Amino acid sequence: DTGVSQDPRHKITKRGQNVTFRCDPISEHNRLYWYRQTLGQGPEFLTYFQNEAQLEKSRLLSDRFSAERPKGSFSTLEIQRTEQGDSAMYLCASSSPGQPQHFGDGTRLSIL
Amino acid sequence: AQSVTQLDSQVPVFEEAPVELRCNYSSSVSVYLFWYVQYPNQGLQLLLKYLSGSTLVESINGFEAEFNKSQTSFHLRKPSVHISDTAEYFCAVTGASNDYKLSFGAGTTVTVRA
Repeated sequence: DTGVSQDPRHKITKRGQNVTFRCDPISEHNRLYWYRQTLGQGPEFLTYFQNEAQLEKSRLLSDRFSAERPKGSFSTLEIQRTEQGDSAMYLCASSSPGQPQHFGDGTRLSIL
Repeated sequence: AQSVTQLDSQVPVFEEAPVELRCNYSSSVSVYLFWYVQYPNQGLQLLLKYLSGSTLVESINGFEAEFNKSQTSFHLRKPSVHISDTAEYFCAVTGASNDYKLSFGAGTTVTVRA
């Protein structure tokens, strides 16, 4: 079990730039999730994939956000035209149906 | 929809003393409940889970939590803490029939002092 892997661990960018994060889930997990965690808060659900299908998106996921899981394995989360309010830790998790979610170490995004 | 309230934002405790972290949830359907622990600059690690069966669940490192349906609670306890237990602890809930979306509490920071 190699765990959930996220890349990069840290991203610093200027306001208005686009950023993309990658998540590699545990290989046998067909479910993949993205969460956002701001300072002093618990994670908030963003979106969820079962295999390659994106089955739910939170209202937190504005039009500037897009997530993909093209082959049902790794996933990417892209934020276009970043804003100050996008600064947060972006967490990826994976699981099998009916089993607990296993989290990666996250990507910390800082907007200058 | 489900929600979680963690009643204590900060809990200072001395080494070898007991600790209790309180968690209450709200849901109109059957739930699954979890405790996760987060160390600085890391992701969340699963500490305990309640899916069904015995209402008292235990972890390998001495934590336990009890699911109380009538009080809608899932409090976390440890009889004797170590310095290494210093971390942030999150309670989370999901509906048993829509178990893809975890709802987290705001977290409880536990600081263990010698």
